[in-house]
Amino acid sequence: EAGVTQSPTHLIKTRGQQATLRCSPISGHTSVYWYQQALGLGLQFLLWYDEGEERNRGNFPPRFSGRQFPNYSSELNVNALELEDSALYLCASTPRRSSYNEQFFGPGTRLTVL
Amino acid sequence: AQSVTQLGSHVSVSEGALVLLRCNYSSSVPPYLFWYVQYPNQGLQLLLKYTTGATLVKGINGFEAEFKKSETSFHLTKPSAHMSDAAEYFCAVSDLKAAGNKLTFGGGTRVLVKP
Repeated sequence: EAGVTQSPTHLIKTRGQQATLRCSPISGHTSVYWYQQALGLGLQFLLWYDEGEERNRGNFPPRFSGRQFPNYSSELNVNALELEDSALYLCASTPRRSSYNEQFFGPGTRLTVL
Repeated sequence: AQSVTQLGSHVSVSEGALVLLRCNYSSSVPPYLFWYVQYPNQGLQLLLKYTTGATLVKGINGFEAEFKKSETSFHLTKPSAHMSDAAEYFCAVSDLKAAGNKLTFGGGTRVLVKP
């Protein structure tokens, strides 16, 4: 069974540009989560999508947004990039009606903002 | 709000020695607890989880953890460290679906294994 996949592996942008990160969950999983892992700041929850709807977001500005498609894959968009957005962005998924919220993570996209 | 504290951002152990990584949590409801491992330039891999039932949980790669409610702890151990255990380890607590369903992570503990 294929795991969570993310693309691209690396992304280099300049300040003010927009970045789009993609995530495909494990087959049969309907929830997708996004986390930011920035140097010195640990793992921070960004967004949760379930059944195509945004269900929860972390303490991030509105320029962080995303969506979930009918096939449950997801996009994370970051507008007006700032230097501090440089981080590893991790996507995770859980199956429909997960009782314990065990999340399965992808390999991440490393975003570098110059 | 839930929180997780991992004592020690770096731990150095000799190959063959005991690995002990400490995790304390705060939660207003019975928690679901997880340990994840992250190897360099990779995502997170689940080591083990506590949901209900037996408080001593065994995971992959010889790791185990014990849930102690009275101490609000979920420490991770491995009797004998191997060079391949060098990685960063994260303890996490799960929020309830009604409260947002996110995982709250500790700050991580980086393990160095000396030959």
